[in-house]
Amino acid sequence: EIVLTQSPATLSLSPGERATLSCRASQSVSSYLAWYQQKPGQAPRLLIYDASNRATGIPARFSGSGSGTDFTLTISSLEPEDFAVYYCHQCYNWPLTFGGGTKVEIK
Amino acid sequence: EVYLLESGGGLVQPGESLRLSCVASGFTFSSYAMSWVRQTPGKGLEWVSAISGSGDSTYYADSVKGRFTISRDNSQKTLSLQMNSLRADDTAVYHCATRTKHGRSFLFDFWGQGTLVTVSS
Repeated sequence: EIVLTQSPATLSLSPGERATLSCRASQSVSSYLAWYQQKPGQAPRLLIYDASNRATGIPARFSGSGSGTDFTLTISSLEPEDFAVYYCHQCYNWPLTFGGGTKVEIK
Repeated sequence: EVYLLESGGGLVQPGESLRLSCVASGFTFSSYAMSWVRQTPGKGLEWVSAISGSGDSTYYADSVKGRFTISRDNSQKTLSLQMNSLRADDTAVYHCATRTKHGRSFLFDFWGQGTLVTVSS
């Protein structure tokens, strides 16, 4: 099983600041890495697929990078609606796995 | 509009069984792979099981392999999860979700609101 480790667990930032979230895989997942955003009471929403491609309707302030075992989700300038929990997810092989999540909270 | 409605959750004792259902509408159900994903406050998201559109291929997380069985009835647009030998650590909200190809990846697109399973004596 591929273990995804996200860091930090919590990121305390102010609106307008840059957020950098990390996801590290226990073995290579090539570029089969996605990022989801989840707000309280809502289902996860797909943000990034294939490590660096924004899903339909996702603002340009969200960007993803990386390949192999190290990946980054960057939010260039935090908007109030961006404060949420973010999960990385690998679909490189079975079993599918998620990271433990990073909570981006208002400082 | 895509709609997924789960049902069948509840409170059961360790070792007992439960069957979850997910009724789909708003899309051609048989054309989509489907999955169950569970979520707990302490452990976040955990993928549980997946099934191909035809139902011929199934996949399971190691934690549920041998205890859970995923199935689908395309004529009824229904996804099911038979859960046997339930344990306390199976306690979670269980979501059904579609899996759609984005680029090279099959990813979770649409999610139901979930059904709560509580395993406790």
